[in-house]
Amino acid sequence: QQPVQSPQAVILREGEDAVINCSSSKALYSVHWYRQKHGEAPVFLMILLKGGEQKGHEKISASFNEKKQQSSLYLTASQLSYSGTYFCGTGPSGNTGKLIFGQGTTLQVKP
Amino acid sequence: KAGVTQTPRYLIKTRGQQVTLSCSPISGHRSVSWYQQTPGQGLQFLFEYFSETQRNKGNFPGRFSGRQFSNSRSEMNVSTLELGDSALYLCASSGGRNYEQYFGPGTRLTVT
Repeated sequence: QQPVQSPQAVILREGEDAVINCSSSKALYSVHWYRQKHGEAPVFLMILLKGGEQKGHEKISASFNEKKQQSSLYLTASQLSYSGTYFCGTGPSGNTGKLIFGQGTTLQVKP
Repeated sequence: KAGVTQTPRYLIKTRGQQVTLSCSPISGHRSVSWYQQTPGQGLQFLFEYFSETQRNKGNFPGRFSGRQFSNSRSEMNVSTLELGDSALYLCASSGGRNYEQYFGPGTRLTVT
């Protein structure tokens, strides 16, 4: 079952913060986050595993709540380069390249 | 390391034809996954190959098939093309312990 992302879209000014949520009705082993800019391929940001939390790069971090089967992506002090569509991909089991992606959250950062 | 490459980048076919897309993973990566991306359905998992074996399969009709070679390069085939098959087809390779995926630039398929 496809995870649900919220919000669907968000517009920010440079320097503002944003949170993107990803919820699943199924138990999760892992949550992957990707960013896709228009006309480009999705780019891996970070992965969160059951039983652990892993921070990514720049000013982007994430959390994984196993009980709620939910992950949140935190973007702090947004930069213009953060604009794009963010996807969460959920892995129902370990050691597999199969991901089920959410519908995406479009983030636009304005000057 | 070189990234994931996909060929061709753009393709126009007519209904009823078949098409083969190619993907070369990052050197050392043994897992290749294929996804279809459309504005309406988003990113949908097609299948995953690992060491020449299909390990996972999504909910697509049998017209969609794939294979992987001993050098980990993978091909995807779509037979009897339909208008609804128009999409961006992305492949992703994984080699890390946690299966983080690295996507290629995609093949834009247009069916007329």
